[in-house]
Order: sequence, then structure tokens, then C-alpha cells
Amino acid sequence: GNSVTQMEGPVTLSEEAFLTINCTYTATGYPSLFWYVQYPGEGLQLLLKATKADDKGSNKGFEATYRKETTSFHLEKGSVQVSDSAVYFCALADEKLTFGTGTRLTIIP
Amino acid sequence: GAVVSQHPSRVICKSGTSVKIECRSLDFQATTMFWYRQFPKQSLMLMATSNEGSKATYEQGVEKDKFLINHASLTLSTLTVTSAHPEDSSFYICSARDFASGSYEQYFGPGTRLTVT
Repeated sequence: GNSVTQMEGPVTLSEEAFLTINCTYTATGYPSLFWYVQYPGEGLQLLLKATKADDKGSNKGFEATYRKETTSFHLEKGSVQVSDSAVYFCALADEKLTFGTGTRLTIIP
Repeated sequence: GAVVSQHPSRVICKSGTSVKIECRSLDFQATTMFWYRQFPKQSLMLMATSNEGSKATYEQGVEKDKFLINHASLTLSTLTVTSAHPEDSSFYICSARDFASGSYEQYFGPGTRLTVT
């Protein structure tokens, strides 16, 4: 079956630091890949997505590239802000969404 | 576009009572909606998949008689927690898939915090 392995948190960084959150997946076929972000007490918001190999999703300074050869979809941002503090979920989709465990990110001013 | 709403956002009920949560797709038609449960500091657990006009498909271990799901229209699905108990207290999130897009992307509601006293 499908599975997503996500970097364990929590992750604490200083403002303007470089961020990487690792995500690898196991799937049959060619799923779409997503990063969702959840702010405290809220539902999930789509951050970015990629639907095929070598696609790069980007939004709000975040990027992730669909790497079929390494079955990875790592999330990166060059300079994080305090407002990026949230929980980040990597997910793959076919008929259902399969989520990673989530990574709690805290940015310190 | 692709907005999903949930109502109520918070509800407190007494043990033994039933609670209904609504999930609406506001600007698209959703033939398929999903219901998730999230425990504190954990990932989302899929409870059931709801298809318009047919019975919901429940994940293993989810009691279908306790968590009643109805998807009567292309824009509305409801989750009723029957005879609620304190262990049912949780954050419930719905999502919907845009039928017209042909994509597997799901759009999430803001969630409902249920507290059973």
C-alpha cells in the first residue's frame, strides 16, 4: 500500500534560516504529491503540489520537486519567517490522501 | 475558488447526546467528500469516504453506526456523532474533491472541535 515518511519534528529555526523538511513516499503508480500546512486550531491549507515526475511546486517562497528516482518530495524555503510557524504535512493522492505524520515548525525571531 | 466550510466550528455536548457536523463545498460540486479525525499533535486519520447519493465507505475500525455520514447533495455532507462519549472528543475535518477538475486534490474545511462532557 501507499505510505509517506516525513521528517520527525519538532523543528525550531531562527528567522531567515534555510528550511528543509524531508518527505519520501512509497506508492504504486504515479500519485500526485502535496504539501499541506495547518495553523493552530485550523484545517489544512494546500501549500503546493506536483502531479508528475520532475514537476516543481512552489508557493509563498516554499518549493518542492517531485523526484521519482528517489521517491522524494522535500519541502524547502530559503528564508523562513515567524509567520511560517505551523505544522506541515506531506501527502500523496490517488483515490485517497495518504498523509505523513506532520512536522511542527517553530520559527524564533 | 474551491472553498469548503464546516459548521459548527466548535461544539460542546453532553455525554449520550448526538451532534451533527455539516461540510459544504461553496463554489464547486463535490461528488466525493472525506471525513477525518485528528487527535492533538497527530496526523489526520481518514474515517470515511462519502459519495453523493450512495452509502459512505468507512475505514477499518470506524463504527458506522456511531458516525453516521450522509451526502445528500453535491455540495453537502453531514457527519452525525451518535450517543457521544468523552472519548469522541476530537477535531473533525472534512474535505471535498472537485468533480469537474478531474484531479485527486482535496480541499479542506476549517475543522470542528467537538468536546463531549
